[in-house]
Amino acid sequence: DAKTTQPPSMDCAEGRAANLPCNHSTISGNEYVYWYRQIHSQGPQYIIHGLKNNETNEMASLIITEDRKSSTLILPHATLRDTAVYYCIVRPSGGATNKLIFGTGTLLAVQP
Amino acid sequence: GAVVSQHPSWVICKSGTSVKIECRSLDFQATTMFWYRQFPKQSLMLMATSNEGSKATYEQGVEKDKFLINHASLTLSTLTVTSAHPEDSSFYICSAPQGSSEAFFGQGTRLTVV
Repeated sequence: DAKTTQPPSMDCAEGRAANLPCNHSTISGNEYVYWYRQIHSQGPQYIIHGLKNNETNEMASLIITEDRKSSTLILPHATLRDTAVYYCIVRPSGGATNKLIFGTGTLLAVQP
Repeated sequence: GAVVSQHPSWVICKSGTSVKIECRSLDFQATTMFWYRQFPKQSLMLMATSNEGSKATYEQGVEKDKFLINHASLTLSTLTVTSAHPEDSSFYICSAPQGSSEAFFGQGTRLTVV
C-alpha cells in the first residue's frame, strides 16, 4: 500500500472549519483515498473516500489535488465531538485488498 | 451505515487463560473480516485477515497459534487469545468490508490480562 504522511496533531476552534492535510505522493492510479476517524476508545468510523474528484457527504468534504499526491479533509463546522484521531489511507477499492493499513494519523483537538 | 458488533466490549482475565472475542456483521454478509490490535497511544496494527470457509491469513510477526481465528459463518468471526499474558493486554478491533467499498468497524474489545 502507498504510504501517507499526516501532521501528528492540529487544533481547531469550535464552529470553524477544520482542514486536515494528507500527503500520498506515491499513490497508484487505482488507489483511492480513504478517511477514517477514531474517537478515544472506540472503533474507527468511516468518513469519506475518493479517487480523483472532490467528494462531499454529510460529514465532510474531500479535496484531492489534480496530481493526486495530496488531499485535504474538511470538516466545515467543527464541534467538540469531532475531537478524534483522523487517518488518511490509500488503497485499491474492492476484492481481497480491502484491508486498511493505518498510519499514525492526526489528532484533531477542537477547542471551545 | 452497516453495523459491526463486537463482544465483549471489555474483559479481564487471568494470565494463562484463553479469551474469545466475537465479531458479527449485523445487517450484511462478510466473507472477509479483519482483526486489529491497538496499544495505548499507538495506531491500529493489522493482525490477520479472517476468511469464511478457509484459514485466516496472518500478518508478519503475528503468532497464528496464539491468536486463533475462526470465521464460522458469513456474519461471525472469532478471535481467541490463547494462554494470555499481560503483554497481550490491548484494544482489539475487528472490521468487515461491505461489498467493495468502505469497511465498518466494531466498537473494540479492551482486554486486560492480570
